[in-house]
Amino acid sequence: DQQVKQNSPSLSVQEGRISILNCDYTNSMFDYFLWYKKYPAEGPTFLISISSIKDKNEDGRFTVFLNKSAKHLSLHIVPSQPGDSAVYFCAASVSNYQLIWGAGTKLIIKP
Amino acid sequence: IAGITQAPTSQILAAGRRMTLRCTQDMRHNAMYWYRQDLGLGLRLIHYSNTAGTTGKGEVPDGYSVSRANTDDFPLTLASAVPSQTSVYFCASSDSKAGGGYTFGSGTRLTVV
Repeated sequence: DQQVKQNSPSLSVQEGRISILNCDYTNSMFDYFLWYKKYPAEGPTFLISISSIKDKNEDGRFTVFLNKSAKHLSLHIVPSQPGDSAVYFCAASVSNYQLIWGAGTKLIIKP
Repeated sequence: IAGITQAPTSQILAAGRRMTLRCTQDMRHNAMYWYRQDLGLGLRLIHYSNTAGTTGKGEVPDGYSVSRANTDDFPLTLASAVPSQTSVYFCASSDSKAGGGYTFGSGTRLTVV
């Protein structure tokens, strides 16, 4: 029973265009959502988060949108750069208890 | 440099052998975690510790044990390794603040043959 789902194992985007990574969840009690980025042979690194009381959070080229009615969040990267090529994990928590992780989406930025 | 140190970075281990993966943090985080990452399965929690002296089981604890004698160290032990434990293992810590993220180590790539 996957509470956090990333249904796209991979995504290919042209450099300079927008990358949109999606994540769906089933537990309406989740109150924090986070995105992590992982390069090969490295541990995941924190990218951006959003509280359930917000519907948008922006940090430079990265914006996370939360749609609570649809139990869906997305990460937008604009413009996409070659260094953005990585695996992106979506994660969620209830009252900062343990994070529940999605399976990840591999983003490939084409030159 | 503040963060998490994992050792070894990689290891080939004969089945049936005992192995301890080491994890040390210098951020004084209360909570620590061990994950394994397998292709297509994302990160799966093995064991966790919310504070020194306490541990708990995660999603896939069988075949693994942990201890948390102090704040900084959180070793993961495979008592008798099996090939299905071939994976990349990540240690992480968090300061338990609301919305706070985890800090991860660089991982240990373990191959059980």
